[in-house]
Amino acid sequence: NAGVTQTPKFRILKIGQSMTLQCAQDMNHNYMYWYRQDPGMGLKLIYYSVGAGITDKGEVPNGYNVSRSTTEDFPLRLELAAPSQTSVYFCASSYSGRTGSTDTQYFGPGTRLTVL
Amino acid sequence: AQSVTQLGSHVSVSEGALVLLRCNYSSSVPPYLFWYVQYPNQGLQLLLKYTTGATLVKGINGFEAEFKKSETSFHLTKPSAHMSDAAEYFCAVSDRNNNNDMRFGAGTRLTVKP
Repeated sequence: NAGVTQTPKFRILKIGQSMTLQCAQDMNHNYMYWYRQDPGMGLKLIYYSVGAGITDKGEVPNGYNVSRSTTEDFPLRLELAAPSQTSVYFCASSYSGRTGSTDTQYFGPGTRLTVL
Repeated sequence: AQSVTQLGSHVSVSEGALVLLRCNYSSSVPPYLFWYVQYPNQGLQLLLKYTTGATLVKGINGFEAEFKKSETSFHLTKPSAHMSDAAEYFCAVSDRNNNNDMRFGAGTRLTVKP
């Protein structure tokens, strides 16, 4: 198993540009998550999905969109990039995130995004 | 909402010395607690987690943590540091009623001196 994969590894965007960060998992996990990690800060949840066709906002969703058309893929879209979105983005997945679940979240290697 | 505070953004120990990384949490309901490790340019990897039952939790690589409800703490320890333990460590808490909402601490960077 490849686990959780993310592309690209690095990207530089100009203000106002758009892009999609790709995330895929081959563990047949139902739950998937997007986090951002800023210097000196912990990870903050952007969006999550409990299954294909279902997504919900996390702690910091503004400026981002997601979709989940398949179990395997969970892309994150930035429509109008801003310098405040400069960060490292991590995708994660778990078998279940339902109430009371203790399933582990598995993380991808991250995408380092710079907006200039 | 629940939150986590990690005391000390940087901790430096000598090889063979005790490792102690501190984590205090705030939660209105009994929490799930986690410690993750992040090596340079990699994603996070779960070290250990507390859900229910025994309050002393053993994880990978010789780490363990103890859930102390009275102190709202979940400190991470390892008796003898190894050079390979140098990494960033994150404590995290999630709400049993909403397991998708995991909140992370700011992280503690562990340096191990030879």
